[in-house]
Amino acid sequence: AQTVTQSQPEMSVQEAETVTLSCTYDTSESNYYLFWYKQPPSRQMILVIRQEAYKQQNATENRFSVNFQKAAKSFSLKISDSQLGDTAMYFCAFMTRSNYQLIWGAGTKLIIKP
Amino acid sequence: GAVVSQHPSWVICKSGTSVKIECRSLDFQATTMFWYRQFPKQSLMLMATSNEGSKATYEQGVEKDKFLINHASLTLSTLTVTSAHPEDSSFYICSARGQGAVDNEQFFGPGTRLTVL
Repeated sequence: AQTVTQSQPEMSVQEAETVTLSCTYDTSESNYYLFWYKQPPSRQMILVIRQEAYKQQNATENRFSVNFQKAAKSFSLKISDSQLGDTAMYFCAFMTRSNYQLIWGAGTKLIIKP
Repeated sequence: GAVVSQHPSWVICKSGTSVKIECRSLDFQATTMFWYRQFPKQSLMLMATSNEGSKATYEQGVEKDKFLINHASLTLSTLTVTSAHPEDSSFYICSARGQGAVDNEQFFGPGTRLTVL
């Protein structure tokens, strides 16, 4: 069975700082996808970034980038130049092509302080 | 990006009554829809997967007679909480995967907050 682990329940940084959220996963699959979702106080799930497992290059979306270490089954999210609007719950998620279901981590509450 | 709506966004009902939550894909055809439940400060818990025109597949521990899911068209899935009790109070989220979509695309609705008195 696949599992996703986020070991940081809560993190807090100052505005403009860089922060890294950790995520590890376990699977025997070779073809899968990894995601980071953001859930602000509105509770709307927002896709932050995605990574296909077959791609060696780390995904980047503006201030958001990932460090994908396939052998170590690690998928961390780096947020550069953090902004107050980045305050939210962040969930790491895993998906296989067998059923397209998302397996979710427990989440990390990120607080950006002014 | 594709838009998924949910209605109602917030509902309060009395214990013993049934509540229906609608999930609609507004600008694409959703071949698969997923229903999640989220408790405060917790992650999403998958309740069931529904494919258009077929019976939903429920996750272990989810009562199919209590949480009725219907996916009658390519743009609409409904979740009915039957004989609701206070322990059913929660935040319910749907997501949809579209016909012809990129494999990994799932689009989320804004969620429905259910409070059972």
